Amino acid sequence: DQQVKQNSPSLSVQEGRISILNCDYTNSMFDYFLWYKKYPAEGPTFLISISSIKDKNEDGRFTVFLNKSAKHLSLHIVPSQPGDSAVYFCAALDNAGNMLTFGGGTRLMVKP
Amino acid sequence: EPEVTQTPSHQVTQMGQEVILRCVPISNHLYFYWYRQILGQKVEFLVSFYNNEISEKSEIFDDQFSVERPDGSNFTLKIRSTKLEDSAMYFCASSHRAYTGELFFGEGSRLTVL
Repeated sequence: DQQVKQNSPSLSVQEGRISILNCDYTNSMFDYFLWYKKYPAEGPTFLISISSIKDKNEDGRFTVFLNKSAKHLSLHIVPSQPGDSAVYFCAALDNAGNMLTFGGGTRLMVKP
Repeated sequence: EPEVTQTPSHQVTQMGQEVILRCVPISNHLYFYWYRQILGQKVEFLVSFYNNEISEKSEIFDDQFSVERPDGSNFTLKIRSTKLEDSAMYFCASSHRAYTGELFFGEGSRLTVL
């Protein structure tokens, strides 16, 4: 089941630079998208979301972009900080249910 | 800050044994969920629960699984007869609204079936 896919298992960036995490989806019924962050030995923590009626949502250093025609979303973190080092999961919600479909995650490493 | 708590953090059991994983959701939340993550795989939805009944469940959530809210605070996941492939990290989550996707997750219970 590859309805939500994160093609990069890992990403390494320098502190202060931009981190861009990508996510693709196939299900046209998805209408709400979220990013979760996960540290080791902790549960996922909600980070930012975007509705399908928007193409951008910004919250401080975090911005999510949605390209519906390409079925693609991305998370930009700028500037990146060492504390941002974690696994980032893209997730999607369809308009019929209450069930999140997750991508496989991207491990972000921000080097000081 | 309110949080979702889960016990045990790690349980080791023999195949065929019953396991109960416990969760205390955030107190004013009304919607409760179980997700799991098999090592190296995606986080997968198991079940959602509202108003003392299952509102949605996945194909994974077969007759071996059950959920219960035995009192006003606990939310449990029971696996009746564990299989090797049930070994995973099980995450409980809660939310105060439905159809939000913005869930509060616990730290997880690691289940190892031998």
